[in-house]
Amino acid sequence: AQSVTQLGSHVSVSEGALVLLRCNYSSSVPPYLFWYVQYPNQGLQLLLKYTSAATLVKGINGFEAEFKKSETSFHLTKPSAHMSDAAEYFCAVRGGGSNYKLTFGKGTLLTVNP
Amino acid sequence: NAGVTQTPKFRVLKTGQSMTLLCAQDMNHEYMYWYRQDPGMGLRLIHYSVGEGTTAKGEVPDGYNVSRLKKQNFLLGLESAAPSQTSVYFCASSYGLTGVAYEQYFGPGTRLTVT
Repeated sequence: AQSVTQLGSHVSVSEGALVLLRCNYSSSVPPYLFWYVQYPNQGLQLLLKYTSAATLVKGINGFEAEFKKSETSFHLTKPSAHMSDAAEYFCAVRGGGSNYKLTFGKGTLLTVNP
Repeated sequence: NAGVTQTPKFRVLKTGQSMTLLCAQDMNHEYMYWYRQDPGMGLRLIHYSVGEGTTAKGEVPDGYNVSRLKKQNFLLGLESAAPSQTSVYFCASSYGLTGVAYEQYFGPGTRLTVT
């Protein structure tokens, strides 16, 4: 079975500061990992995904995430926060093979202060 | 392409009433999903479908039924709404090849309030 833990339900940063959103996963098989972003009153949009091709994954809007098997982590980072990055971010894991269902973390709300 | 669309966007029901939420996708995806989103709970899978004519239970299926009569549509029904079903409902779809990390595409959501 898969599970995801997002550390910190709310993260607040200043504009221009580093963004770090933490995600730890548990999976009995090699995982596929995803980060989604949800802007207010909208659906979820894919930021990036890890599919075992490369441990450092680059996504949209300047975000990237690094898969660390030894730490079972897939933390999301962005060097410099913009006001437009304010949103809720969800980490999700999917087991390999025929297990196509995603298990989501509870989300981290990112606030960007001017 | 419209992607994934959901109807309606908002709905208020009284306890005991029934309703159907419609999800449509134009990407020829095999798999479709219904989630509910509640504050602090993330997204929880209600039901899903791996192809036309098939459905299966997810994590929180009680009180809901689904049907997938056409590949592009996935309907979520509430037969007798309860206040505990007040939530935001999201539909998603994805390709279905085994072992491939296809992402899920989400609709804009339906905000349902049961009074």
